[in-house]
Amino acid sequence: IAGITQAPTSQILAAGRRMTLRCTQDMRHNAMYWYRQDLGLGLRLIHYSNTAGTTGKGEVPDGYSVSRANTDDFPLTLASAVPSQTSVYFCASSDKGGPNNEQFFGPGTRLTVL
Amino acid sequence: LAKTTQPISMDSYEGQEVNITCSHNNIATNDYITWYQQFPSQGPRFIIQGYKTKVTNEVASLFIPADRKSSTLSLPRVSLSDTAVYYCLVGKGQTGANNLFFGTGTRLTVIP
Repeated sequence: IAGITQAPTSQILAAGRRMTLRCTQDMRHNAMYWYRQDLGLGLRLIHYSNTAGTTGKGEVPDGYSVSRANTDDFPLTLASAVPSQTSVYFCASSDKGGPNNEQFFGPGTRLTVL
Repeated sequence: LAKTTQPISMDSYEGQEVNITCSHNNIATNDYITWYQQFPSQGPRFIIQGYKTKVTNEVASLFIPADRKSSTLSLPRVSLSDTAVYYCLVGKGQTGANNLFFGTGTRLTVIP
């Protein structure tokens, strides 16, 4: 059982380029999330989806977009990357949305924007 | 929205019991308290969750006083492998993800 997979593991990107981080889960969870983790700022929610076909904004959504075409996949897109988006990105899923439900995290994607 | 406050870091010797306290003064009636553990270069993983009084599992105990404005994660007899960042998460017990605040967590270092 794979759980949650993320790709790529790491990426160096030139500022202004478009980038999509991929996230796939095989647990048939309804809810999925994207977080970024920065030193001194902890984990911050970017976007979430409580069920396929719906998405919502988290704490720091600007500069990012998501889609949820099916249950398993939840890609995060940076339309025009900026250096402040250098971070470690974690995807997570849970059976239902909300903090009451255990979240399962992927291994993360380390993104550097130059 | 109930945000949390935790100590930034703690040190402990192997074999000792470690207690990490989280303050959540604005906790609402429907809010649960959840703790996650994160090792370096990994995503967080769920440790324990509670609503009131005490919850215990094979990894930790969670103590919640009657006013629920704080909670304490207790790790019995820590080992070097317990060195990690511990996050306290408080949020409503209903569907909806826009109230997920992990904060900066507490970095626990276990010393030999």
